[in-house]
Amino acid sequence: AQSVAQPEDQVNVAEGNPLTVKCTYSVSGNPYLFWYVQYPNRGLQFLLKYITGDNLVKGSYGFEAEFNKSQTSFHLKKPSALVSDSALYFCARHGQNFVFGPGTRLSVLP
Amino acid sequence: NAGVTQTPKFQVLKTGQSMTLQCAQDMNHEYMSWYRQDPGMGLRLIHYSVGAGITDQGEVPNGYNVSRSTTEDFPLRLLSAAPSQTSVYFCASRKTSGYYEQYFGPGTRLTVT
Repeated sequence: AQSVAQPEDQVNVAEGNPLTVKCTYSVSGNPYLFWYVQYPNRGLQFLLKYITGDNLVKGSYGFEAEFNKSQTSFHLKKPSALVSDSALYFCARHGQNFVFGPGTRLSVLP
Repeated sequence: NAGVTQTPKFQVLKTGQSMTLQCAQDMNHEYMSWYRQDPGMGLRLIHYSVGAGITDQGEVPNGYNVSRSTTEDFPLRLLSAAPSQTSVYFCASRKTSGYYEQYFGPGTRLTVT
């Protein structure tokens, strides 16, 4: 079965530093991978996706993600974190239905 | 466009009561789905629909019913509420052709006592 893992429950980073939120996926068919963000008491918002092509994908709010087939990973990155980036981040895999990872809580400290 | 709307925002039920969570979208999306979100468990799919008149079960369907009589609406019914159904419920929709992202509603926070 297709699955998605987010190995870190929590990531803390200082404002202005680069951030990485990790995601790995199971090797089963073509991986169509997505990142979503959830701010407190809100629904999930789409950030970016990888379907095919360039391994570096750019998305909303300055986020980007790198697809790495050999490491079966799709890590979310941002060069300079903002306090307002503090939220819950979900990696997801597109199949007949979406499969979501458990989420990683990002805290950006001022 | 309003996107995906959900009502109510909050609800408290007693064990054994029934209720319907409403979901509507105005983007003409064929695919609609219901998820529940519990701490540390991410989002789990309850039921989904690929078009009017077509519904199917997801990962955790027990205790829930759905119907899809129109493209716009996809209500979720709790038949006899149990404390284990205390959760935050999200409705989502997307196009079915291609690899499109899902659009989520703001959620319904349900407490069953």
